Amino acid sequence: DTAVSQTPKYLVTQMGNDKSIKCEQNLGHDTMYWYKQDSKKFLKIMFSYNNKELIINETVPNRFSPKSPDKAHLNLHINSLELGDSAVYFCATGTSGETQYFGPGTRLLVL
Amino acid sequence: AQSVTQLDSQVPVFEEAPVELRCNYSSSVSVYLFWYVQYPNQGLQLLLKYLSGSTLVKGINGFEAEFNKSQTSFHLRKPSVHISDTAEYFCAVSRPNDYKLSFGAGTTVTVRA
Repeated sequence: DTAVSQTPKYLVTQMGNDKSIKCEQNLGHDTMYWYKQDSKKFLKIMFSYNNKELIINETVPNRFSPKSPDKAHLNLHINSLELGDSAVYFCATGTSGETQYFGPGTRLLVL
Repeated sequence: AQSVTQLDSQVPVFEEAPVELRCNYSSSVSVYLFWYVQYPNQGLQLLLKYLSGSTLVKGINGFEAEFNKSQTSFHLRKPSVHISDTAEYFCAVSRPNDYKLSFGAGTTVTVRA
């Protein structure tokens, strides 16, 4: 029973397209996150949601829009995809300041 | 704001040898510290964490780390590595009641027979 799941696992698309990545957690945590891991494996937080409310937006372009329909889901929609958006996107869940549990990642390749 | 520096980008090591991965942090307030492991093409898995209490923290797979407040360090150690320990290791820091986890750049550990 996967604690944090993401779909799809792989996503290959053309520049300019719009795509969504879905995340679901069954740990009952109030806080969910999106992280981006670049080609050099550097991890950086993008967004944090607590009880469906946006807490952190780390200077991410407006083309990225998170949406939290309920506490168990945090989806990431990306408009007008660019080459530089190619990365691995990780969803995570946890409680403020403490352990975060990560999903398996979505590998996005923009051609 | 807190930050993390992992002092070694790559650490090659022979099987059954000990390994130490170095992590230093900077913060003006109390912090929580974490080590995560990322196996090839997988997500991040928590190895261990320091929230408070004993400065020597034991984690999964035989790893341990020591919190040193005076040196602002949280180095990770394993006395004897296996081939299966080949992975990317990340040190991370957060503050109590903060929603942000800041990661170091990662250390690639390659274990050779």
